Amino acid sequence: AQSVTQLGSHVSVSEGALVLLRCNYSSSVPPYLFWYVQYPNQGLQLLLKYTTGATLVKGINGFEAEFKKSETSFHLTKPSAHMSDAAEYFCAVETSGSRLTFGEGTQLTVNP
Amino acid sequence: KAGVTQTPRYLIKTRGQQVTLSCSPISGHRSVSWYQQTPGQGLQFLFEYFSETQRNKGNFPGRFSGRQFSNSRSEMNVSTLELGDSALYLCASSFRGAFYGYTFGSGTRLTVV
Repeated sequence: AQSVTQLGSHVSVSEGALVLLRCNYSSSVPPYLFWYVQYPNQGLQLLLKYTTGATLVKGINGFEAEFKKSETSFHLTKPSAHMSDAAEYFCAVETSGSRLTFGEGTQLTVNP
Repeated sequence: KAGVTQTPRYLIKTRGQQVTLSCSPISGHRSVSWYQQTPGQGLQFLFEYFSETQRNKGNFPGRFSGRQFSNSRSEMNVSTLELGDSALYLCASSFRGAFYGYTFGSGTRLTVV
């Protein structure tokens, strides 16, 4: 079954530093992959998605992710962290029939 | 355009009762999915509806059910509530499915006491 693994349940960075959140997927075929962000007491907001085509995907708020088939990875990056980026981030893969399977989430802390 | 609207935002119920949660998708979206989010189990898929038909169902007991109306609005029902049903229930809508991306609502926080 398709699944995703997020490495690191907590990541802490300084404001202005690079943000790197790791996600690896298991799939026998190129999957649809997503990154979502969740702020406290809110739902999930789509940051970006990979379906087909270009492997470097640009999303909202300066985030981007690169689909690497050889490494089965879809890591999320942002060149310069902002305080407002502090939130929980989820990687997800589409499994059978439009179902999303989520990773366990990575809590991002941004220190001033 | 308006986002995905879930009502109510918060709900407190007693064990054994039943509850109905509502989701209004983005206009034009025909696919509605439901997820349960808990600290212990994370985000888990409940079911997905497309044009009033259940297309997919997760591994939840039969106490969890749903439906979709002709205007694409969806409801989910949980009968005989248990303490473990306390969770954030999230609804997501899409034009047709994963390729188009899913937009999530703010969720309904259900507390069972």
